[in-house]
Amino acid sequence: QVHLVQSGPEMNKPGASVKVSCKASGYSFSNFGISWVRQAPGQGLEWLGWISGKSGKTKFIQKLQDRVTMTTDTSTSTVYMELRSLRSDDTAVYFCARGSSVYYYSLVFDMWGQGTKVTVSS
Amino acid sequence: QSVLTQPPSASGTPGQRVTISCSGSRSNIGRNYVTWYQQLPGSAPKLLIYSNDQRPSGVPDRFSGSKSGTSASLAISGLRSDDEGDYYCAVWDDTLSVFGGGTRLTVL
Repeated sequence: QVHLVQSGPEMNKPGASVKVSCKASGYSFSNFGISWVRQAPGQGLEWLGWISGKSGKTKFIQKLQDRVTMTTDTSTSTVYMELRSLRSDDTAVYFCARGSSVYYYSLVFDMWGQGTKVTVSS
Repeated sequence: QSVLTQPPSASGTPGQRVTISCSGSRSNIGRNYVTWYQQLPGSAPKLLIYSNDQRPSGVPDRFSGSKSGTSASLAISGLRSDDEGDYYCAVWDDTLSVFGGGTRLTVL
């Protein structure tokens, strides 16, 4: 069975960094990519970026370009998203979602993680 | 602010047919595939429709998608109480604002 299991909730102060993990199982990791999507409290979905499980190539939204890093650990089929210089408006639930390994612009996500709540507060 | 416009709310009674629209432009819906997601309260989104009108296995045929020009629609027939939730369209746009604002569906 295909699963994406994310790390637990995080509470951080403004200016700090957070690293969220997404462990994949039940499929060949390199055949797919992972996108990250966040949802602020009471708000809609926001696509943040993508990493290929095959090549490690990445694509991010411009407003996070300088603050986000996405990496993979193929030995454990785990994807990491690190967000630096946290601000209060980064408070959200962060989801990882499985998609294309090649096309960052394919928004067909057939499997989602359970979500990780990240709270940024002083 | 999304470049894809959805009505903030929609409603219907059990058994009815409802449609949710997603309006865009030539740079997004006009040239790319539309995907639809359902998000039930407290849950992660679920893939409902891809490539404008294709249903993944396991999604009932009560759900259908269509696209014409720079607009797309999601139709839900035989409305059920457990269809209540938020629905999002998603289309690639080079501005990278890829999700619609979402439509909250209420089953009366």
